[in-house]
Formats: sequence, C-alpha cells, structure tokens
Amino acid sequence: GQQLNQSPQSMFIQEGEDVSMNCTSSSIFNTWLWYKQDPGEGPVLLIALYKAGELTSNGRLTAQFGITRKDSFLNISASIPSDVGIYFCAGQLPRGGSYIPTFGRGTSLIVHP
Amino acid sequence: NAGVTQTPKFRILKIGQSMTLQCTQDMNHNYMYWYRQDPGMGLKLIYYSVGAGITDKGEVPNGYNVSRSTTEDFPLRLELAAPSQTSVYFCASRLTTGAGYGYTFGSGTRLTVV
Repeated sequence: GQQLNQSPQSMFIQEGEDVSMNCTSSSIFNTWLWYKQDPGEGPVLLIALYKAGELTSNGRLTAQFGITRKDSFLNISASIPSDVGIYFCAGQLPRGGSYIPTFGRGTSLIVHP
Repeated sequence: NAGVTQTPKFRILKIGQSMTLQCTQDMNHNYMYWYRQDPGMGLKLIYYSVGAGITDKGEVPNGYNVSRSTTEDFPLRLELAAPSQTSVYFCASRLTTGAGYGYTFGSGTRLTVV
C-alpha cells in the first residue's frame, strides 16, 4: 500500500514563530487532507486540497498540494500556545469507489509561551 | 447534535478477556470507520462500513470484529484481548466518500491489555 513520510516527527518552538511540516509519498494522491489532534481528543479536519498546485488557507494555516501530487505542505504562521497538538497529513485515492485515506505518522508540535 | 460518541473512554482488560467498544453517530452518515492509534505510528484502519449491513476489512483487522445493524451504531468487538491490542481506538464517520469529505472523529477509547 501507499506509504506516507511525514516530517518532522516533533517540533519545539517559541510562541510567535512560524512552523512548517510536510508529507511525501512514493505514490500520487488525488486529495490531501490535514488534521489536528488535540491532547485526549480525536483528529479534526483543518484543510482539504483537491488538485495539484492548490494553495489553501484557513486562518493562520496554509497548506499546499504539491505539483507532483506526491507531497503536501502545511505552514502555521505566528504560532500560539493553542496550536499545540499532533498534526496529521492524509492522502486519498479511490478504492473500490470510495476514498480511504492513508495517514502519516504525525508531527507533534509544542509551543513554549 | 453530538457527532460521534465513543464509550468507554478508558478500559483495562486482562489477557483473554473480551469487550465491545461502542460507537454511535447522530449525523445520518452512511460511512463509518474504526482506527487504532499507536504512539508515533499514525492511524491504522481496522474495519469500515459503507452502510447498514455492510462491513469490510481495513489494514489491521486481525483480532477484531464489527457489525453494522443500524446506520447510527458501529461497535468494535475484541474477543480474546492481547497486549498487542493496547492502543487508542478512534471511531469516525463521514457523509459521503467523495474526495473532499473528511472524517468526523470520536474522542477515542484508551484500552490497556495487561
């Protein structure tokens, strides 16, 4: 099956700094999704990307669907303490008529006040 | 509108015991999923269902069973618990399987098998 490499595995930053993380794959995907998981909760969808080259923002978050369709990037600007959590990328391809995502292993973000 | 509700939130099982993890959603979603999350390993799909009466295996189905008798409920059954099943389990649902539709996740069940 598809493999997703998500990096970095963890990040320790100061409040106010910008953050960048990415996912790469050996296969192409039709859709990229980015989720955030707060401690003790389930993941919540942040941004969905539907076509190669697409750049989409959600507040201080910006994500891009790579031109090769094998990668995606998430940037967080001016981080704040509530950005703490685990960020997951997920790539999707149709499987038997439905889209089952493949998840990356996550990037754990810690923001120091 | 409660979304996806999972019970229990925490459970400790002894090796060989059985239990059912409950999942219910009130959004009339046809598609429901069970994932397990191990530290640093992301989310692995156990089973999924595209509608009442229809279930299919995911990536890691061994040691688990599911049923889907109603649209709302999708319980996950562990028959003979093993330490390898210690994990956090997430149930998720979504309206359609179209490319742009993400999951709604429950808040998880943390299971420890000792």
